[in-house]
Amino acid sequence: DAGVIQSPRHEVTEMGQEVTLRCKPISGHNSLFWYRQTMMRGLELLIYFNNNVPIDDSGMPEDRFSAKMPNASFSTLKIQPSEPRDSAVYFCASSRGLGNEKLFFGSGTQLSVL
Amino acid sequence: GQQLNQSPQSMFIQEGEDVSMNCTSSSIFNTWLWYKQDPGEGPVLLIALYKAGELTSNGRLTAQFGITRKDSFLNISASIPSDVGIYFCAGTSTSGTYKYIFGTGTRLKVLA
Repeated sequence: DAGVIQSPRHEVTEMGQEVTLRCKPISGHNSLFWYRQTMMRGLELLIYFNNNVPIDDSGMPEDRFSAKMPNASFSTLKIQPSEPRDSAVYFCASSRGLGNEKLFFGSGTQLSVL
Repeated sequence: GQQLNQSPQSMFIQEGEDVSMNCTSSSIFNTWLWYKQDPGEGPVLLIALYKAGELTSNGRLTAQFGITRKDSFLNISASIPSDVGIYFCAGTSTSGTYKYIFGTGTRLKVLA
């Protein structure tokens, strides 16, 4: 079975540009999570969805960040405008549902904002 | 907010040695997950724990859900060079928010 698929693997952009990260969760998983990983802050939960509905976006750092899940097999995380401090690895993860379910991660998108 | 204290932060060990690391929480957790992350990759799930006192093995890895429900332990027996990486614990609390909180990670380096 395919795991969580993220694209692109690497993104280099200039400050002020719009960045869109994409994620395809594991088929049959109803919950999707976006995390950001940095050396300073570790793994931070940004937002999560259940059945395509955003449940908690309290981890989204600023209004420049937005996330959507138009259907069960696709989600995007958008940063507009991007800033150098947004540079990090962004992970998408999915689980069968909320609660005590196992969480599976994609390979991440390494974002560099110059 | 909630924090998971993971220790040690890093460790060098000789190949063949056993390794122990732990995670402690300021609150009671319902679930503990242990992950390994290799450079340039996402965290890979190693072991999941669901009940206080539970002891679960996956090959040379053994993890335990602490009796107090505020801690968990991961042991690696007879370490090999490919065990190198960062190990993370993660847990969900009883608050019902369904958020997995992650520890700061233990960086393991194995000397051949």
